[in-house]
Amino acid sequence: QQQVKQSPQSLIVQKGGISIINCAYENTAFDYFPWYQQFPGKGPALLIAIRPDVSEKKEGRFTISFNKSAKQFSLHIMDSQPGDSATYFCAANGEDDKIIFGKGTRLHILP
Amino acid sequence: DAGVTQSPTHLIKTRGQQVTLRCSPKSGHDTVSWYQQALGQGPQFIFQYYEEEERQRGNFPDRFSGHQFPNYSSELNVNALLLGDSALYLCASSFGAGGFEQYFGPGTRLTVT
Repeated sequence: QQQVKQSPQSLIVQKGGISIINCAYENTAFDYFPWYQQFPGKGPALLIAIRPDVSEKKEGRFTISFNKSAKQFSLHIMDSQPGDSATYFCAANGEDDKIIFGKGTRLHILP
Repeated sequence: DAGVTQSPTHLIKTRGQQVTLRCSPKSGHDTVSWYQQALGQGPQFIFQYYEEEERQRGNFPDRFSGHQFPNYSSELNVNALLLGDSALYLCASSFGAGGFEQYFGPGTRLTVT
């Protein structure tokens, strides 16, 4: 199946806290898992991505954790800032190059 | 280094009309994918063009068609517009037929009345 399930739908975090967004997939043919950040009125921007041969990838305050056996992956935003307030999409690609997106998480960081 | 550009930014059309949206890929990229993003939803894959041919297609009717030019730019055409076609249309570019890193443009907001 070609679904990517994302949760929560919305998230409120205090400034300085950790924001965690979770995703699950079913198609074991997926082999690339990007996260996109989208601000209102803008296109999605590639934030960070991971391949299933590693369990974690960190870039600055953003970390992807990947559990291949559970078919789950998550985005952690450390020291969350008001500028991180946006909608975040997890996604997955397979060999057919179609990106399948989750439904998004609207993140709001309280100042 | 220019990123992905799209035109127009906004467009208002009447039901039944036809529309053409345009996309120029990021410098160095040769593959263009189109997505439809309804309000409050994630982008949905429409189709992908590589070497001037449609390489992959999502679950969209034949009213949605496209074209890629020798300079890698692309057009998305939608015929017989329906109210439900109102959405943000996103273009993404990548390098090569197997290029996973797709970079998105700002989108074209289409409103069908």
